[in-house]
Amino acid sequence: SAVISQKPSRDICQRGTSLTIQCQVDSQVTMMFWYRQQPGQSLTLIATANQGSEATYESGFVIDKFPISRPNLTFSTLTVSNMSPEDSSIYLCSVRLDRVEAFFGQGTRLTVV
Amino acid sequence: QKEVEQNSGPLSVPEGAIASLNCTYSDRGSQSFFWYRQYSGKSPELIMSIYSNGDKEDGRFTAQLNKASQYVSLLIRDSQPSDSATYLCAVNSRSFGSARQLTFGSGTQLTVLP
Repeated sequence: SAVISQKPSRDICQRGTSLTIQCQVDSQVTMMFWYRQQPGQSLTLIATANQGSEATYESGFVIDKFPISRPNLTFSTLTVSNMSPEDSSIYLCSVRLDRVEAFFGQGTRLTVV
Repeated sequence: QKEVEQNSGPLSVPEGAIASLNCTYSDRGSQSFFWYRQYSGKSPELIMSIYSNGDKEDGRFTAQLNKASQYVSLLIRDSQPSDSATYLCAVNSRSFGSARQLTFGSGTQLTVLP
């Protein structure tokens, strides 16, 4: 198993500002992912955080809006840039162990006003 | 067509009954299938994984997979009020930017009535 610490757990931000979300894992993992879950919706993959290289973004998500860092095998950050109210959502990091992407952080509930 | 579809619910069952949750997927190349439980305000928690056709049982939970029909289900026996949550079906499928990643269904909200 893996223990994932994600912070902040929630934040209220002004539009036009940026927020960086941190994800720390208690063991080295090859693959880390960032998801968005909008109110009442399911999870949408934003990107795969690759250690030592640029993140791989899914359709509809771009690096300028959601820059991601992965400096080592236990840590990653996701920045939500130039925020608008449409960015209000829960952001989740997750890690893959063996064949299974099983473990999620506690999530960051972001409200943009 | 959505890649992973679930009954949107809400689904209500009485305590002690069997809850049946269904999921279909579109990618025939999918190889791994998962059920997550998400309580309100919490992050998803993996409860079942299944990789081959047939049934897989774990306590009160049984996952069923039929790759020919592209169908996966979750049965919860002896449902308890503590099982009330949203259940997310996830399928390991090809996505835009990555080789194979998890694609989630929209979830089925289950309520177990005391």
